[in-house]
Amino acid sequence: AQKITQTQPGMFVQEKEAVTLDCTYDTSDPSYGLFWYKQPSSGEMIFLIYQGSYDQQNATEGRYSLNFQKARKSANLVISASQLGDSAMYFCAMRELRSARQLTFGSGTQLTVLP
Amino acid sequence: GAVVSQHPSRVICKSGTSVKIECRSLDFQATTMFWYRQFPKQSLMLMATSNEGSKATYEQGVEKDKFLINHASLTLSTLTVTSAHPEDSSFYICSAPSSLAGGEETQYFGPGTRLLVL
Repeated sequence: AQKITQTQPGMFVQEKEAVTLDCTYDTSDPSYGLFWYKQPSSGEMIFLIYQGSYDQQNATEGRYSLNFQKARKSANLVISASQLGDSAMYFCAMRELRSARQLTFGSGTQLTVLP
Repeated sequence: GAVVSQHPSRVICKSGTSVKIECRSLDFQATTMFWYRQFPKQSLMLMATSNEGSKATYEQGVEKDKFLINHASLTLSTLTVTSAHPEDSSFYICSAPSSLAGGEETQYFGPGTRLLVL
């Protein structure tokens, strides 16, 4: 069974600072993908970044980077130079690539960027 | 990225009526779409997998006669909440898988539908 854990229900960060959102996962499938989504108050789910289990390098997309530590089964999202518009709910998700097309989501972290 | 639309964005209905929600992939084809339900301050809960040309696959505990899913074409899936009751009030959101630049697959989400049953 696959499981995603986000232990930070809420996080605060000062504008222009960096912030790390934690995500740990559990799976017995050696082939899996890890995803981060952003959900603003409007409700839409915005895809941010993807990391494959066999990827050698950490994924980066603009101000977003994924700190992938396979042995620890963690996939933390790092947001650099936080902006007020980054305030939102952030979800970590996983898909076991060989057996499922659906995503399993963590409980989410509410990020608030302070001016 | 790929674009998924969802309509309506918000609906208020009386108890006992049925509500249809449409999910469309605008610039790509989707043989599979997913329907999720989300309560306030909670995560997304997968309700069912919609399959073009065949029956939907429902998650355990989801009433298939209550939540009717039809995937009529490669770009359209509909979710009908039949005989809606106040406990069906929720945020419903659909997604469709599409490939990233590197060939891996992710899911793109519609903007969601807020349903309020009075």
